Amino acid sequence: DSGVTQTPKHLITATGQRVTLRCSPRSGDLSVYWYQQSLDQGLQFLIQYYNGEERAKGNILERFSAQQFPDLHSELNLSSLELGDSALYFCASSVGKDGPDTQYFGPGTRLTVL
Amino acid sequence: GQNIDQPTEMTATEGAIVQINCTYQTSGFNGLFWYQQHAGEAPTFLSYNVLDGLEEKGRFSSFLSRSKGYSYLLLKELQMKDSASYLCAVLDSNYQLIWGAGTKLIIKP
Repeated sequence: DSGVTQTPKHLITATGQRVTLRCSPRSGDLSVYWYQQSLDQGLQFLIQYYNGEERAKGNILERFSAQQFPDLHSELNLSSLELGDSALYFCASSVGKDGPDTQYFGPGTRLTVL
Repeated sequence: GQNIDQPTEMTATEGAIVQINCTYQTSGFNGLFWYQQHAGEAPTFLSYNVLDGLEEKGRFSSFLSRSKGYSYLLLKELQMKDSASYLCAVLDSNYQLIWGAGTKLIIKP
């Protein structure tokens, strides 16, 4: 158990819908990262937040958005869902903003778009 | 551009030794991570190297050569539970983690 929690574990929805994925980082960690992993693909970095502020952006679609709240939990919002958005979505957390901090991953949310 | 190369898939025998290579070309270097990921599960941290040389941790060792842009993960006394994907990731000059596509390791009895 990494200490990072994600809800829900599974999500099944239809094309065109909007969903929200939630992540709580490990106690003491200020950075939260979101990743997408499609079937048999590598990890695609989406976005990083540090202490409530956006720190870095990866290959995140305009239909996707995220935020980090004052209690440090984070939410990833996916809208106008397409079949290709079906994937595992991981959240990870680390202590700092920069530096060689290990990222610890949550168990993931498996999103299925029908 | 930034690039990390790993073999897509490797097969090894239970009890044997396997070496998974990773080569990288990134804008700057602030360390290299290895993660293990079982199918459908979260990646878990294995090792971090920032200086040249070999770091040993039980059955797993990780080696780094910064001048060659090269690392490997060495797994000894392979067990069936080692069947997983192994991800190499490099921390670039902006402290952004650049991920390889991962190497799927299949262990046969």
